[in-house]
Amino acid sequence: AQKVTQAQTEISVVEKEDVTLDCVYETRDTTYYLFWYKQPPSGELVFLIRRNSFDEQNEISGRYSWNFQKSTSSFNFTITASQVVDSAVYFCALSEEGYSTLTFGKGTMLLVSP
Amino acid sequence: NAGVTQTPKFRVLKTGQSMTLLCAQDMNHEYMYWYRQDPGMGLRLIHYSVGEGTTAKGEVPDGYNVSRLKKQNFLLGLESAAPSQTSVYFCASTRRAGTAKLFFGSGTQLSVL
Repeated sequence: AQKVTQAQTEISVVEKEDVTLDCVYETRDTTYYLFWYKQPPSGELVFLIRRNSFDEQNEISGRYSWNFQKSTSSFNFTITASQVVDSAVYFCALSEEGYSTLTFGKGTMLLVSP
Repeated sequence: NAGVTQTPKFRVLKTGQSMTLLCAQDMNHEYMYWYRQDPGMGLRLIHYSVGEGTTAKGEVPDGYNVSRLKKQNFLLGLESAAPSQTSVYFCASTRRAGTAKLFFGSGTQLSVL
C-alpha cells in the first residue's frame, strides 16, 4: 500500500526566509514516481516537479529545490528567499509503476507574509 | 488550448437532489480522474477511468457514479446529494497513468444544504 505523509499542516514565514516542506512516503515498489503540486489561493492545481525512484539527484529550479532521499523515504521541497506569491497549499504525491492512480498527501499550507 | 474544463464552477443543491458534473479534456488523454478536496483531508480519489468506456472506484466512491462514454468526457453524478458531499471537486487527466503529470480542471464548489 502506498502512503504519503506531510506532517506540516501549516507553515508561516516572513518574506525572504527559506522554508522546507517535508514529504515522507511509503511504498513496497522499487519503481515509483514522486510529485509536487502547488495550489495557490485561486484554487487551481499546478504541477511543479516529478522524480522517479531511480534518480536521486537533487533538483534546483530558480528558488525551488527538491531533495530526494530513498534512505529516509523523503522528498522534501525547499523554497529559498520566499515571496508572498509562494503562499499556497503544496501537495506531495506518489504513484507506483503499473498503477493508474496517484496518492496525495494532505498538503501543507504555506503562508508568506510581507 | 483549453486543457481540462469543468462545469459548473459552483452549485448549491438541496439534500436529495441529483446533479452531474462534467469534465472535458482536449488533450486526447486516456486517463481521467475525479477527486474531492476537503479541509485537512487533501485530495481523495472518487472514481477514475483508464480509457473510453471504462470506470473504476477510487478511495471514496460511495454516493457517486461516473461514466466515460466518450474519450474526452468524464461525468460525475450524484444521485441523491447529502450534506457530506459538500466539497470542492477536481477533475484531472493524463496521457500516461502514474508517470506523467496530471492536468487539473479549475474545480467545482458544491454545497449541499
